[in-house]
Parts: sequence; C-alpha cells; structure tokens
Amino acid sequence: DTGVSQNPRHKITKRGQNVTFRCDPISEHNRLYWYRQTLGQGPEFLTYFQNEAQLEKSRLLSDRFSAERPKGSFSTLEIQRTEQGDSAMYLCASSRRRGTNSYNEQFFGPGTRLTVL
Amino acid sequence: AQSVTQPDIHITVSEGASLELRCNYSYGATPYLFWYVQSPGQGLQLLLKYFSGDTLVQGIKGFEAEFKRSQSSFNLRKPSVHWSDAAEYFCAVGATNAGKSTFGDGTTLTVKP
Repeated sequence: DTGVSQNPRHKITKRGQNVTFRCDPISEHNRLYWYRQTLGQGPEFLTYFQNEAQLEKSRLLSDRFSAERPKGSFSTLEIQRTEQGDSAMYLCASSRRRGTNSYNEQFFGPGTRLTVL
Repeated sequence: AQSVTQPDIHITVSEGASLELRCNYSYGATPYLFWYVQSPGQGLQLLLKYFSGDTLVQGIKGFEAEFKRSQSSFNLRKPSVHWSDAAEYFCAVGATNAGKSTFGDGTTLTVKP
C-alpha cells in the first residue's frame, strides 16, 4: 500500500475564493471519507463514499461544500465562497470491506491545512 | 448517537513511566473501537483496533488497550513511555458497517526526560 495521499498539503486563500482539495485513497479501498479537524478538537465527519456513491453527509457540510468521487477512485472536496471559519485541517481516509457488511479500519492521509485570510 | 469522551485533555509522564489514557464511549450496539496517534501537522496513525473477540488488544509501538463493555471504556496503556511517544492521542468509535467514525477531542501527551 502506498497510503492515502492528499493534495495540496497547505492552502492559503482569501475569504470568498473557492478552493478544491484532492484525495487519492489506497488502491482497492472502496470507501472514502472526509473529515475536518480544527485546533484542539478531534476529527469531525463530513461525508463518505462507497465507490462513486455518496452515502452520508454531515450537517456540517453546508451548501458551500461539495464532494465528488466520479470514478470511484480519487475524490475532490470543494469549498465555495470560503469563510474564515472554514480554516481547518481537512483529512481524507479510506477503508476496505471485510466480510458481508463490515469494513476494516480507516487509513488517514496527511491532510490539507486550509487557512482563509 | 455515538459519542466518545476522553476525560484527560493533557497528561504529563516521565520517560520510562507507565501510561494510561482514558476513553469512554456511547454506542447502542457492539462498537468498533480505535486508538489513533497524531504528531503535530500530521495525519492520524492507527495504533490499535477492537472489532470482536479478545478484549485485550495489542497494537504497534508497545501499546495495548482493553475493552470493558460494562464500563463502556477502551483505555490505552503502555508500560514504559519513550520520549518519542509525545503526541496527541485520539480514541474513536465506529459502526460495524463503518460509515463515519466519531472521535474524542484527544489527549495530549507530554513526556518529561
């Protein structure tokens, strides 16, 4: 396994701009997750995909946030009209099926740190 | 709804001393439980996991954790701490069909020489 990769690692943007982050999961992991982590907090769930289907979205994922996984491989997370409150670390994770209806643990990427000025 | 409480925000131990980090969870069924470690500016690395079976689980870097259903706890232990163990530690609970995981707010470990 080459691990979960995320790009960019750091992003500084001005309020009101749009940003897009990319996540490449471990190959053959059919589930992909996005989390957000702010200073002093644990990661908070945003959304997850099984293959290309988005199965769950958190209430944290406002209308300005959109995530896609068009071919069931990499995923993108876009934030439109960024606000200072969006400044956080955005973490991606992936997992693989084990058995009929259960999954292995999630493997995390290094994260993308977003700073909104 | 699932939730995780890590009662200790910050713990300081001397190098070579033993360590126990507390984790209490709330979940309606048998949970999947995890401990992750995070160094500054980095992603999360899995230390160990509990899915089923033996309630004492061994992980990497000499860590272990014990699942106690009656206490809804999954405490992390290490018999002898090394300076390189200084980091932030997160406990998490997830469902067996593994949608989201819910994390605690973490415990920061400082190791004194």
